[in-house]
Amino acid sequence: SYGLTQPPSVSVSPGQTARVTCSGDVLGSQYGFWYQQKPGQAPVLVMFKTIERPSGIPERFSGSSSGTTVTLTINGVQAEDEADYYCQSGDTSGTPVVFGGGTKLTVL
Amino acid sequence: QVQLQESGPGVVKPSETLSLTCSVSGDSMNSRYWTWIRRPPGKGLEWIGFVYYSGSPYYNPTLQSRVSISVDRGKKQFSLRLSSVTAADTAVYYCARVEEGYGGHSQYYYYYYVDVWGKGTTVTVSS
Repeated sequence: SYGLTQPPSVSVSPGQTARVTCSGDVLGSQYGFWYQQKPGQAPVLVMFKTIERPSGIPERFSGSSSGTTVTLTINGVQAEDEADYYCQSGDTSGTPVVFGGGTKLTVL
Repeated sequence: QVQLQESGPGVVKPSETLSLTCSVSGDSMNSRYWTWIRRPPGKGLEWIGFVYYSGSPYYNPTLQSRVSISVDRGKKQFSLRLSSVTAADTAVYYCARVEEGYGGHSQYYYYYYVDVWGKGTTVTVSS
């Protein structure tokens, strides 16, 4: 089981908005981080400190937080955004790195 | 440009020890944490542990009894050893660089995330 809970899958049509959520008690006080992983490739950081976007990541990617849930939003989804998305934080017992179970984003 | 490259056997026999090495280029390794993460087939990412450049490790509690991570700054490498492997240890293993920060919303704390990843290496546990 994971201390961070993500929906297994999200589907969206091209040009629409995709929202991937990640819930966990620790997110009420700690930052969330997001990684994108395409088949056969290493993960790529797409969001850090919940709302900050690394250089090189398209502006259509944004992050937000409410209570114990952080959300990765992709506006104007493109076919190339189809991937697995993982949230990451620490946990309440002090483990410094914990991943959510991952969400498969399908672009219809 | 920082690059990380994993190396090691692609097949390990059950009950034996898995050993992987990560070679680092474009970074002195100083004042950084370095980590191993794996992804079993059909499953999500799992953090194995990390090591500070000076050698202090921190492991995932679920693997702590079997894992060891060490660093060799002279060779610009860090290594993973996982003992008593079973089929459940079959995975793509990634080495990566960790970014550490200090901050927070209501209270400050040390946080960690991965900013540079190796390409990954597949390890299969099979006799």
